[in-house]
Amino acid sequence: GAVVSQHPSRVICKSGTSVKIECRSLDFQATTMFWYRQFPKQSLMLMATSNEGSKATYEQGVEKDKFLINHASLTLSTLTVTSAHPEDSSFYICSAVRTAAGYNEQFFGPGTRLTVL
Amino acid sequence: EDQVTQSPEALRLQEGESSSLNCSYTVSGLRGLFWYRQDPGKGPEFLFTLYSAGEEKEKERLKATLTKKESFLHITAPKPEDSATYLCAVQAGGYSTLTFGKGTMLLVSP
Repeated sequence: GAVVSQHPSRVICKSGTSVKIECRSLDFQATTMFWYRQFPKQSLMLMATSNEGSKATYEQGVEKDKFLINHASLTLSTLTVTSAHPEDSSFYICSAVRTAAGYNEQFFGPGTRLTVL
Repeated sequence: EDQVTQSPEALRLQEGESSSLNCSYTVSGLRGLFWYRQDPGKGPEFLFTLYSAGEEKEKERLKATLTKKESFLHITAPKPEDSATYLCAVQAGGYSTLTFGKGTMLLVSP
C-alpha cells in the first residue's frame, strides 16, 4: 500500500510554455500533498503544501504565480509551471500524506524531470 | 529551528561489510523520524518511521534505531543493490512537513 504516482515522468518543453504535472495517491486518500524540487546532488527543497479544497501554502521565495497548485480531490494534486524558463529545469517530486492512528507519514512519487529549452 | 545532520556524507563499503549511518537532530516536539532511500533519478522510497526513543525497526538488511538525539540506520552485510542515498527527516509538532538532512550516499562494491 501507500503508492503515489506522478505524470509525466519526463517532459521537455520550449521556453515560455506551461507544463502541468499530476500527483496521485493510488491506494489512500490524502488531504495534504507536498511539492518538492531537487537539484543534482542536493536534498529535497519544499516548494509548497497542497491542501484539498483550499489554497496552497508556498515556502518563502517560491513564486505562487509561477507554480500554480490545485488539489482538486483527495487523490490528486497538480503543479503547473507557467511560462517555463530554462532556470525552471529541475526534478520535481510530490508526496502525499497518509494519516493513520493519529500519525502522518509521507509517501513520495517517482518524480518528474522537467527540461526547458 | 528544526535541524537534521546526517553523517557521513558518503560511505563506501565492500559487499558484506556492515556499517551504520547517523542522523542527529534538534527539534521541538519530535512527532516522528523518517528514513528514506533514494536512487538516482527517482523519488524517495519510504523505509521506516520511528516515533519514540528506544524504538527499533528492521527490514531485510536494514535496522533503524532512535534515541532522544539521534537515529542510526544499521546495514548488515550490505549488497551492491543497497547502494543509494539514504535520507533522514524529522516531523515536529502536529504538522506534516518534514525537515530533511542532506543524505548519506552509500556505495557498496562487489
